Order: sequence, then C-alpha cells, then structure tokens
Amino acid sequence: SQTIHQWPATLVQPVGSPLSLECTVEGTSNPNLYWYRQAAGRGLQLLFYSVGIGQISSEVPQNLSASRPQDRQFILSSKKLLLSDSGFYLCAWSVFGRGQETQYFGPGTRLLVL
Amino acid sequence: QQQVKQSPQSLIVQKGGISIINCAYENTAFDYFPWYQQFPGKGPALLIAIRPDVSEKKEGRFTISFNKSAKQFSLHIMDSQPGDSATYFCAAHREGLTFGGGTRLMVKP
Repeated sequence: SQTIHQWPATLVQPVGSPLSLECTVEGTSNPNLYWYRQAAGRGLQLLFYSVGIGQISSEVPQNLSASRPQDRQFILSSKKLLLSDSGFYLCAWSVFGRGQETQYFGPGTRLLVL
Repeated sequence: QQQVKQSPQSLIVQKGGISIINCAYENTAFDYFPWYQQFPGKGPALLIAIRPDVSEKKEGRFTISFNKSAKQFSLHIMDSQPGDSATYFCAAHREGLTFGGGTRLMVKP
C-alpha cells in the first residue's frame, strides 16, 4: 500500500533562517506531488505541484521554492523565512483512476517562525 | 482566479441530526469535487468525491449533492455523531485542488 511521510513533524525557526521540509512517498511510482500550506484556522493553499522529476509548477509567488530530486521525493525550501511563513505544511500525492485524480495527504509539518 | 466558496464557517449540530455544508464554484473547467475531513493536527483525509456528471453520491452516512447548472455542491452528514466533529473542506480539481475555506463542525452529544 502507498504511504506518504513528512518530516519534521514540528519545527520552530527564527526569522531569516533557511528551511527544508521533506516529503517522500512509498508504494507508487511517478506520482503527482503537491505542497499545500494551511494557516491556523484557515483553508489550504496550493503552493507547488510536480508531475515528474525536476518539473515544478508554482501557484503562488513567494519566498518558498520546491524541488523534486527523485521520483518519490518532494522538498520545500526557503533561503530566509518570514513570520508569515508560519503554518501547517502538507504534502500530497495523487493517483489517477476511473477517470479522476484522487489526492492523499501526509501528516503535515507544523512550522512556527519566531 | 479559481475560487471555491464554502459555508458555513462553523456548524453546531446535535447528535443524530443532519449536518449540511455548502460549496459554490465559478470555474466550469473543474472536473472532480472531493470532500476532505481533517482532525486537529492531522492532514486532511479524503471522505467522498463526485464527478460533475453525477447529481448525487452516497457513502454510508455521507452524501454529496451536486447541482451543475447552479455550480453548487453540498455535503450532508446523516445521523451526525460526536466523532464526526472535525473540519470539513470541499475542493474542486483541475491540475491540483482548490479548497474551500473549511467548516468546523461540532456535534454535541
């Protein structure tokens, strides 16, 4: 069965520090991968999605970037964190079946920028 | 800009009652409409989903009603239970998901 891992689970970082969040998927190949951000008490915002290695689409211009160095690895990065980067970061992968794409979410990383 | 509007923001229902959450969208290119359930501190989990060529889909106590002409869809939770207390998100799919703002449901025992 497919599983998705995210780490770390929780992270506290000072303003201006770099960021690297990692997401890996097991049990599937060539998945579409997504990064979402959820602010406290709010909905999910799509940040990046990837349909293959090295292929990244950005939905929202900001100081974050994403990379996909391997088929089942998706990394979210920042060179300098802002206070507004605090939130709950969710990685998701998707599978196509019966004419529709279904997304499955990882456990999330809670980021607090101080 | 793609948008999905969800209401209400919060909902309190007595145990055994019906919970109804509504969503409306603008982009007719959306091709798939899932609902997600999220418990505090956890990632959203797919609950039920519908395609625009279907008007209703039922899975257990959960039903999606879809009105293509009105560009609206809703989630009905029958016989609501305290364990259903969570945040519910509707979403619309086209090259990724666009989420509604979420509804925090509380089912009182």
